Amino acid sequence: DARVTQTPRHKVTEMGQEVTMRCQPILGHNTVFWYRQTMMQGLELLAYFRNRAPLDDSGMPKDRFSAEMPDATLATLKIQPSEPRDSAVYFCASGLGGTGKPEQYFGPGTRLTVT
Amino acid sequence: AQKVTQAQTEISVVEKEDVTLDCVYETRDTTYYLFWYKQPPSGELVFLIRRNSFDEQNEISGRYSWNFQKSTSSFNFTITASQVVDSAVYFCALSSYNQGGKLIFGQGTELSVKP
Repeated sequence: DARVTQTPRHKVTEMGQEVTMRCQPILGHNTVFWYRQTMMQGLELLAYFRNRAPLDDSGMPKDRFSAEMPDATLATLKIQPSEPRDSAVYFCASGLGGTGKPEQYFGPGTRLTVT
Repeated sequence: AQKVTQAQTEISVVEKEDVTLDCVYETRDTTYYLFWYKQPPSGELVFLIRRNSFDEQNEISGRYSWNFQKSTSSFNFTITASQVVDSAVYFCALSSYNQGGKLIFGQGTELSVKP
């Protein structure tokens, strides 16, 4: 049963520290998305990639967030420096964009707490 | 602009009752997709169903059914004979064929099924 995996599942860090979240998409999927979930804003898109190329990162605070796909099996989301307002659950999702199958499959999420 | 509205923030029912979760969407695109996701207390987002804008046929899967009506821009979800395991937050989402597949989520409806 293919699944998206994310590490770490939980992260507690102090303000100003660097945080790196990792995602392994489902093998064969060509599109990777990063979403953030908070009580106030709900689920919002941060960035996404198609065939490892960034397509849209307009949802990300550019000064502190960065997203990359070093290879087809790994996507990373980095926050430097982290702030308390970054506390949220960060989800990675993957899918077969552009193939007529637009559904996305989500990982379990990384729950980030910045103190 | 695209928007998804789930007017019901919380619904509470007793087991075996039928319940309908409402979803209204806005889009100017002619080709789009609608989705329902389930988020149980464990926190993961589980894909339930996808409908294409050109296919208004309703769908039934076991106790779940979906009613898609373009005339009212609605995509409602009905659970028949609800069970305690149905307790979760349910999200309706929209994506446009022309925008790379990113999902626009509603705010979610928290369903509580009591024994």
